[in-house]
Amino acid sequence: DAGVIQSPRHEVTEMGQEVTLRCKPISGHNSLFWYRQTMMRGLELLIYFNNNVPIDDSGMPEDRFSAKMPNASFSTLKIQPSEPRDSAVYFCASSLSGLWAEAFFGQGTRLTVV
Amino acid sequence: KQEVTQIPAALSVPEGENLVLNCSFTDSAIYNLQWFRQDPGKGLTSLLLIQSSQREQTSGRLNASLDKSSGRSTLYIAASQPGDSATYLCAVRSGGGADGLTFGKGTHLIIQP
Repeated sequence: DAGVIQSPRHEVTEMGQEVTLRCKPISGHNSLFWYRQTMMRGLELLIYFNNNVPIDDSGMPEDRFSAKMPNASFSTLKIQPSEPRDSAVYFCASSLSGLWAEAFFGQGTRLTVV
Repeated sequence: KQEVTQIPAALSVPEGENLVLNCSFTDSAIYNLQWFRQDPGKGLTSLLLIQSSQREQTSGRLNASLDKSSGRSTLYIAASQPGDSATYLCAVRSGGGADGLTFGKGTHLIIQP
């Protein structure tokens, strides 16, 4: 398996534009996580899906952020409208179901909002 | 709310030394603890996973221990090499509604040739 695949790797956009980040989890993994990494706050969980259903979205910072998982092999994180403070590296991770499972991370998307 | 602390924040040692990275967590009710490595501009690579019922895990020159009751884990790196230079992150999975991993801020490690 190629691991967790994220696209794009880098995104530069202007303030106010819509941004969509994409993630393909490892085949067979039922849990998917979106994280955001900044220098100030480190890695923070944004949202967690299990079997395509959002279980915990308490980390989503504002209504400008939304995430979907239409099927077991694809998820999106959308920011609309984007703001400069959204600039960060966004990671997607997946694991088997179960709290004992090991998590595997993608390479991340570096988002810059100017 | 679970909090994870890593000490030291940065460490620089000569090549060949054995070293220990520390991780502590405030809520001992965890399911597992995972150590990751992150190279600059890259993603996270899983190094070791310790389940809550385990005391340690080993992979090559790496050994991770877990003392759940005291809320501590250590990552031991033997015979360090320049290629070990990276940021090492500790994360715990607590459940109870907080089902994702809670991360520490990491230890930035530099191995001097």
